[in-house]
Amino acid sequence: AQTVTQSQPEMSVQEAETVTLSCTYDTSESDYYLFWYKQPPSRQMILVIRQEAYKQQNATENRFSVNFQKAAKSFSLKISDSQLGDAAMYFCAYRSVNRDDKIIFGKGTRLHILP
Amino acid sequence: DVKVTQSSRYLVKRTGEKVFLECVQDMDHENMFWYRQDPGLGLRLIYFSYDVKMKEKGDIPEGYSVSREKKERFSLILESASTNQTSMYLCASSMTGRGNIQYFGAGTRLSVL
Repeated sequence: AQTVTQSQPEMSVQEAETVTLSCTYDTSESDYYLFWYKQPPSRQMILVIRQEAYKQQNATENRFSVNFQKAAKSFSLKISDSQLGDAAMYFCAYRSVNRDDKIIFGKGTRLHILP
Repeated sequence: DVKVTQSSRYLVKRTGEKVFLECVQDMDHENMFWYRQDPGLGLRLIYFSYDVKMKEKGDIPEGYSVSREKKERFSLILESASTNQTSMYLCASSMTGRGNIQYFGAGTRLSVL
């Protein structure tokens, strides 16, 4: 069975600095998707970024980028120029393309932004 | 924009009560999901549904049931609420297909006293 591990329960970063959130996963499949979701305090969970396993190029969305290392089964999220609005719980998630539409989530990393 | 609406943000119930959590999506998505979110445990899938009147157990279905009579609505039912069901409940929906993302509701924080 697939698993997703986020080893950092909490992290802090100074405003305007760069922070990297770690995620590793375990799978025997070759075709899958990886996601980072953001859950701000008392607000809805939203998608930050998505990566298809077959694409070698790392996905980027404005200040958010990933470092996808397929062989190492690693999928880290880098947030550049951190802003106060980036404070949230971040979930790494895995979705197989060969099965149903279920997503497997990690346990989350709470990110604090220090002014 | 996709909208997933959960009927209550906060709910307080008594042990033994039957509890209904309602979720409605407005994008004609085939798939709908109910998760439970607890500190340190992340999101755990309770039930999901691929179509009207269809349901599949997730990872922690015990003590819960679901109903999907219409495509846009997915209800989570606690037949006899217990204190260990105090939690945040999240509903999500998605289209079928590779890479499609899940869209989430704002969540219902349920307290069972």
